[in-house]
Amino acid sequence: GENVEQHPSTLSVQEGDSAVIKCTYSDSASNYFPWYKQELGKGPQLIIDIRSNVGEKKDQRIAVTLNKTAKHFSLHITETQPEDSAVYFCAASIRGGGNQFYFGTGTSLTVIP
Amino acid sequence: NAGVTQTPKFQVLKTGQSMTLQCAQDMNHEYMSWYRQDPGMGLRLIHYSVGAGITDQGEVPNGYNVSRSTTEDFPLRLLSAAPSQTSVYFCASTGTGGTDTQYFGPGTRLTVL
Repeated sequence: GENVEQHPSTLSVQEGDSAVIKCTYSDSASNYFPWYKQELGKGPQLIIDIRSNVGEKKDQRIAVTLNKTAKHFSLHITETQPEDSAVYFCAASIRGGGNQFYFGTGTSLTVIP
Repeated sequence: NAGVTQTPKFQVLKTGQSMTLQCAQDMNHEYMSWYRQDPGMGLRLIHYSVGAGITDQGEVPNGYNVSRSTTEDFPLRLLSAAPSQTSVYFCASTGTGGTDTQYFGPGTRLTVL
């Protein structure tokens, strides 16, 4: 099955700095890569996603890049704010292949005011 | 739309007891899943369903049963609770027809003594 690895497990940045979280996957058939933000006591919420036919996608301060050859994808958050503090999860899935999402182990991001 | 709802929010069981975690969605999604979230391990898929009457096992199915008699509901049953099943459980649903966005419920925190 698919194996998704995520680094780092914890990340602290000063407000206004950038944060980068990296994930690798093992199954070359995976073609859909979502990122989720989880706040304390809540369920994960999708913040951005990318499909394998795209190398980069941006939504305001958040961007995701994908390198299919190396099987890795990254989340970039620019101009971080205290409200960005949360746990972030990457995942991999085969679009149209059912309902099996494989998650990374999460990154706890702290933005220091 | 209420989205994905889960009950109860918290539950304490004794070893050997059984119970059912409830999950419902009102978005007419075909795909539904159950995950468990443990510290440092991300989210792991327990069971999933691609439509009413169809279920399948995920990564960690042992000790759990599911059924899908309607599109809206996807209950998770613990047959004989064990301390190893202490976890936070999330239900999720995914739309079809061009989108893979997965929506999560608020979670059930289960403690087995």
